[in-house]
Amino acid sequence: AQSVAQPEDQVNVAEGNPLTVKCTYSVSGNPYLFWYVQYPNRGLQFLLKYITGDNLVKGSYGFEAEFNKSQTSFHLKKPSALVSDSALYFCAVRDPRAAGNKLTFGGGTRVLVKP
Amino acid sequence: DTAVSQTPKYLVTQMGNDKSIKCEQNLGHDNMYWYKQDSKKFLKIMFSYNNKELIINETVPNRFSPKSPDKAHLNLHINSLELGDSAVYFCASSLMSGANEKLFFGSGTQLSVL
Repeated sequence: AQSVAQPEDQVNVAEGNPLTVKCTYSVSGNPYLFWYVQYPNRGLQFLLKYITGDNLVKGSYGFEAEFNKSQTSFHLKKPSALVSDSALYFCAVRDPRAAGNKLTFGGGTRVLVKP
Repeated sequence: DTAVSQTPKYLVTQMGNDKSIKCEQNLGHDNMYWYKQDSKKFLKIMFSYNNKELIINETVPNRFSPKSPDKAHLNLHINSLELGDSAVYFCASSLMSGANEKLFFGSGTQLSVL
């Protein structure tokens, strides 16, 4: 079984400050890990993924995430947050050995960036 | 051009009715999915299709019947709607390739069962 935990329901940060959204996962074997963002009344949009290789992955809009196998974490980071980053962020995991491309999402973390 | 389009955007109906949601993707992807997002924003997969074939049925009640006439379309028909079916339903598509793997989502169908 695969699962994802996002321990924070909401993260508040001032504009210009660093932003971190936490994610831990559970999967047997090597995971595929993803971050998606959802703006109000919209579908999810892909931000970045870790499949293999360098543990630090860079994605859209200046976001990056670090895969840490020993801590089973994949935290999302942005050095300097913008008000426009306010949205709902989802971490997701997939076991590449399982059939059907089943992607399991975390419960989401709402990010609020204040001016 | 909208990559993944689903209709309708809003659906308000009475308990016991039957309704359908349509989804089309113009990305040439082999995989299509239905996801359900509840009022707490929790997102869960319902169905996964590969080239018109059902791969995953995530313990969804058989009142929900997906149909894929071709690999660009995946429609969702719901019989005997219940209050608990109220949610936002997202269609998505993807390539099946690690390097290029990512989901493209439609903008969602907000279903309200009264």
